[in-house]
Amino acid sequence: RKEVEQDPGPFNVPEGATVAFNCTYSNSASQSFFWYRQDCRKEPKLLMSVYSSGNEDGRFTAQLNRASQYISLLIRDSKLSDSATYLCVSSGTYKYIFGTGTRLKVLA
Amino acid sequence: GAVVSQHPSWVICKSGTSVKIECRSLDFQATTMFWYRQFPKQSLMLMATSNEGSKATYEQGVEKDKFLINHASLTLSTLTVTSAHPEDSSFYICSARSTGVDNSPLHFGNGTRLTVT
Repeated sequence: RKEVEQDPGPFNVPEGATVAFNCTYSNSASQSFFWYRQDCRKEPKLLMSVYSSGNEDGRFTAQLNRASQYISLLIRDSKLSDSATYLCVSSGTYKYIFGTGTRLKVLA
Repeated sequence: GAVVSQHPSWVICKSGTSVKIECRSLDFQATTMFWYRQFPKQSLMLMATSNEGSKATYEQGVEKDKFLINHASLTLSTLTVTSAHPEDSSFYICSARSTGVDNSPLHFGNGTRLTVT
């Protein structure tokens, strides 16, 4: 079993839709969690950190469920520019584990 | 915000030659930097963890004699692909986090696209 698992997608959604991704992690000792987005042939860029109480940044909401060991990302009012691969990351001491990413395509 | 600079962005080299990639943290110190490789349509794969002033830690299956890592200062790590072959063609990306800030997010360089002919 992979340490961090994501549905690879693709998720094809119309503009304006709300879409949610989940990511599960296996290491209960993981301390911090992040969402990154990666555009084709580019480096990953930090989208947001994920806090235990959940956090929101504009149209993006991240949640952490330690009991069930998953994190989620919700995107409201999807834009064409949101099309990308979304990577979830768990980190412990000096180690960052990336999921394989979930592809999102927002359609006009 | 934290900035990581990677150079070169693109490199094309002949089989058998060596290629050096630099990764610099521009506005923070990084005791630890990470080197990743990504093949087309595949996920990021951690190659090695670079530690300032000591030997790098390589992931299973990554040849340390082929991928030489040097982390001579708190702001610079280099990856040298020695005797490159076409199968080494890939997207190499470095990342770093601020020293002394546990579990802070990683910041990535812009990546180096290596093509070996």
